Amino acid sequence: GAVVSQHPSRVICKSGTSVKIECRSLDFQATTMFWYRQFPKQSLMLMATSNEGSKATYEQGVEKDKFLINHASLTLSTLTVTSAHPEDSSFYICSARDGGATNEKLFFGSGTQLSVL
Amino acid sequence: GESVGLHLPTLSVQEGDNSIINCAYSNSASDYFIWYKQESGKGPQFIIDIRSNMDKRQGQRVTVLLNKTVKHLSLQIAATQPGDSAVYFCAEMAKTSYDKVIFGPGTSLSVIP
Repeated sequence: GAVVSQHPSRVICKSGTSVKIECRSLDFQATTMFWYRQFPKQSLMLMATSNEGSKATYEQGVEKDKFLINHASLTLSTLTVTSAHPEDSSFYICSARDGGATNEKLFFGSGTQLSVL
Repeated sequence: GESVGLHLPTLSVQEGDNSIINCAYSNSASDYFIWYKQESGKGPQFIIDIRSNMDKRQGQRVTVLLNKTVKHLSLQIAATQPGDSAVYFCAEMAKTSYDKVIFGPGTSLSVIP
């Protein structure tokens, strides 16, 4: 099946620094990618929809300037957490849909655990 | 039995028994539903999906039932094994919502050996 690679798997940073998370579709072209965040023992909350070559669409309550999303190619989307603070500590997960497939199946990355000190 | 924890409902079953995990969805426009399994520290793993024009779909050891009248979805796991212990999420998608996949609250399944 299709593979979505997400890096890094874990990052620890100091408060005030920025962190970039990469999401790559390895064997398919992803015109649309989605970014989720997940707090412990909670569900995945959709943060934004990333469309190749255009601006991301953010869910209500998600700060655009805080969570910068870039989807410059059909196989790569990045999420940058700018000026991270302890409350940004969370599990971030990306997902992608195969633009060439006839079904709606989403493929997920393995997630990035962000810890802000 | 099934109980509601602080954040995540839990379901405990004996190894070998069948498990039934339930999910209520709210968007009547949703037309595609998916069940995911998530193990600790990992991304969700696809289990089975179903479209709104069906009410039942079977996979290997799993069955999904869809009741659109009451907006209810269930996942049945036959002969539950210790490896099935994980958190299970139902998710819904509506074409009218730009194909976004929205996750339900999840259920933690614990298999007792």
